[in-house]
Amino acid sequence: LAKTTQPISMDSYEGQEVNITCSHNNIATNDYITWYQQFPSQGPRFIIQGYKTKVTNEVASLFIPADRKSSTLSLPRVSLSDTAVYYCLVDGGYSSASKIIFGSGTRLSIRP
Amino acid sequence: EAGVVQSPRYKIIEKKQPVAFWCNPISGHNTLYWYLQNLGQGPELLIRYENEEAVDDSQLPKDRFSAERLKGVDSTLKIQPAELGDSAVYLCASSSGLAGVGSEQFFGPGTRLTVL
Repeated sequence: LAKTTQPISMDSYEGQEVNITCSHNNIATNDYITWYQQFPSQGPRFIIQGYKTKVTNEVASLFIPADRKSSTLSLPRVSLSDTAVYYCLVDGGYSSASKIIFGSGTRLSIRP
Repeated sequence: EAGVVQSPRYKIIEKKQPVAFWCNPISGHNTLYWYLQNLGQGPELLIRYENEEAVDDSQLPKDRFSAERLKGVDSTLKIQPAELGDSAVYLCASSSGLAGVGSEQFFGPGTRLTVL
């Protein structure tokens, strides 16, 4: 059972880089790591996904060390609109020993 | 392209009454998920479908919850009878390809259930 652990909350300021780390010590070989963003009264929205090393897209980067027991979501130059809850998810599909567990997420607050 | 559609958006019922939620996934998405989300918590998976087959329902409370996806497209989640503790947001999501294999989930807006 790949449980994830994240900080409950983080604060930052506009224009700063924010890094949110997630621990997933029991990650299985075929598990992917996915990060979602959720605003109030909305469903979660996909941010980025990776398996190992580094992945970058237009909104974020995801760093995964060689042992894959943790991952770090990096948001460059955050703005007020990045205030949301961020979830780390480990999922290898129904054939995997892992179950889909979102955890409680990290509540990110961005200040002017 | 339309996203995941859920209805109703809000539902208020009295305890012991039945309730049903409907979800229409993104066209072509084989995998469909139902989640429950309590206030301040992350989504909790209830059931996952690959086409019409429920491939993971281990976290579905089967004494009162049921789900179906008869034609492998839209899905219905039912609670009968509802209890006070069932008050939550029920989220539906869909993804293309096999669940978890590099596949992003697209979520609907959810149905907020209040049991009085």
